[in-house]
Formats: sequence, C-alpha cells, structure tokens
Amino acid sequence: DAKTTQPTSMDCAEGRAANLPCNHSTISGNEYVYWYRQIHSQGPQYIIHGLKNNETNEMASLIITEDRKSSTLILPHATLRDTAVYYCIVSPLNQAGTALIFGKGTTLSVSS
Amino acid sequence: GAVVSQHPSWVICKSGTSVKIECRSLDFQATTMFWYRQFPKQSLMLMATSNEGSKATYEQGVEKDKFLINHASLTLSTLTVTSAHPEDSSFYICSAREQGRADSGANVLTFGAGSRLTVL
Repeated sequence: DAKTTQPTSMDCAEGRAANLPCNHSTISGNEYVYWYRQIHSQGPQYIIHGLKNNETNEMASLIITEDRKSSTLILPHATLRDTAVYYCIVSPLNQAGTALIFGKGTTLSVSS
Repeated sequence: GAVVSQHPSWVICKSGTSVKIECRSLDFQATTMFWYRQFPKQSLMLMATSNEGSKATYEQGVEKDKFLINHASLTLSTLTVTSAHPEDSSFYICSAREQGRADSGANVLTFGAGSRLTVL
C-alpha cells in the first residue's frame, strides 16, 4: 500500500515558488518525511527531510503540518533546472538497513 | 558530501550474455547498499538489499539467480545480470547510506547516477 499520496503533475512559472503537497495520513510517530527528486535519466537527488519541525536548507523548505499527516515542499524560486519528478517518502528512523520505497511522485514542469 | 559512483553509465549487450554493474561509495563506507530498477515512465522499484560479507536479500519477484549481487567490501557492490534478455533492458540504480552520519536517526540515502542497460 502506498504510504504517501502526491499529485501526478504540477506546473510552475520560472521565478515563482513551487509548492508540492504530499499526504501521509498514516505516518507513524517514528517515521521521517523525505523528499527526493529525479531529473530525467539521472539517479534520485536528496532534497530535504524532517520529523516534526519545519526544515529549510539551500535547496528547499519543508513544511510539516502539526498532525504530521501532510507536508509541503517549497522551492522558493523555481528555475527551469528544477523540472523533475519529486518523490515524497516516509521511512522509519534509526533503521539503517531499510531501503526507501518510492511512489509515483509529482512531475514538476517549470516553464519560462 | 557522500558520493556514490556507478559504472558503466550505459551498456549495450547481446541477448544471452552477462553484464556487471559496479556501485562504489567514494568517500564513505556502507555495510548496506540497495539496488533499484526503473522502467521508462515508471518509478524506482527496489530489487534487492546488498549486505557486506553476506548474502543479498531480494524483493519478491526478483530472481536471485538472474541478478547476482556481490558486496565484497565496504565500498563496493556489484550487480551481474546473467543471461540477459531484452526484457532486462532497464535503468539500474544503486544507493547507500553513509555510516556514522551526524543525523544518525535519519535514513538519508545517496544514489548513484544509474546504469542504463540495453539488451539487443
């Protein structure tokens, strides 16, 4: 069963903020939320992860709702190079031998 | 940051031959590496978990005799596609988690750039 639900596709104008939603209503207390993206014909690239609090790094911001049932990845100023498939994944913490399981993700298209 | 290297990045082979794909963690050690397969317009599908010094664990439906995995050292795992057929043509991606990460609670994986296999 899919642990996350994401829209199939989204469009964004270059220079605008891209807000990508993810629903993870069955998330457990010991599970992190991870975001990766995959540009065409490349391996997935790590973006950000979080447990409870909102997080920000040089690539993006992650907003997690208080009940942790959903989150939003924010790319503050999207560029053409941000066109990719974005994956939202939940996975337990402290389990180093656990693979990440990918859903279908959201295809983000950034246009000029 | 952590880097995972895959080689070759693309390979074309004849049906019936075997192909080996290498996955190396360049600046960290990894007791566990993961192999994924991705068909066009689909998501990544986990094939197997590679464990250093022991047998790999395969996902349901993945033939262990066809996809041989060897994790001989803390920085190298290999995937050999034996007796390849056209239906094995795919994008193969490996990943690893850096041991001793500062954020030790999180399971952040680093992925290789992938290896595209085409079987004629």
